[in-house]
Amino acid sequence: EAGVAQSPRYKIIEKRQSVAFWCNPISGHATLYWYQQILGQGPKLLIQFQNNGVVDDSQLPKDRFSAERLKGVDSTLKIQPAKLEDSAVYLCASSLRSEGDDEQFFGPGTRLTVL
Amino acid sequence: SQQGEEDPQALSIQEGENATMNCSYKTSINNLQWYRQNSGRGLVHLILIRSNEREKHSGRLRVTLDTSKKSSSLLITASRAADTASYFCATDITGTASKLTFGTGTRLQVTL
Repeated sequence: EAGVAQSPRYKIIEKRQSVAFWCNPISGHATLYWYQQILGQGPKLLIQFQNNGVVDDSQLPKDRFSAERLKGVDSTLKIQPAKLEDSAVYLCASSLRSEGDDEQFFGPGTRLTVL
Repeated sequence: SQQGEEDPQALSIQEGENATMNCSYKTSINNLQWYRQNSGRGLVHLILIRSNEREKHSGRLRVTLDTSKKSSSLLITASRAADTASYFCATDITGTASKLTFGTGTRLQVTL
């Protein structure tokens, strides 16, 4: 079974530039998550989709971050414009359902450095 | 905000020893999960314990949950160098639409 795919693996940009990350979840998984993990901290949920609908985006900085999951499969996360504090690893995860006892499967992450 | 706080922040042991890490949380939960993260990689699910369970085993892993103290512990027995990683607890908080909230993590170093 193929895992969660993310690209790019690394990205370096200057502040005020825009950047986009892509995620392909495990086939058949209804729920997709984007997390932000700052160095030395645990992952923080940014947005949760079930199929192509948003379940939770309460911690997404909506003035600069946006995400979409077209057709309920792949997803993109965009930051525009980026700030220095956005430097982090962005993790995508998926699960079969959207229940709290579901195992989440994580991709390798995209490491973003904002200069 | 971080719901769980792991203790210790870092732990260094020798191969063959047991490693114990603790997680404390603040609010009522449906379940608690433990994840492992190797350096530069995504997280891998290890074990889930429900709020009505007190102890669970999986291979060399033993997890306990004390809801009265709002705490959990993860024991790794007979540790191996390959267990070197960061370990996170994640809580499914009651009433939050099945959202996991991760703790701050324990960095485990197992030396030969």
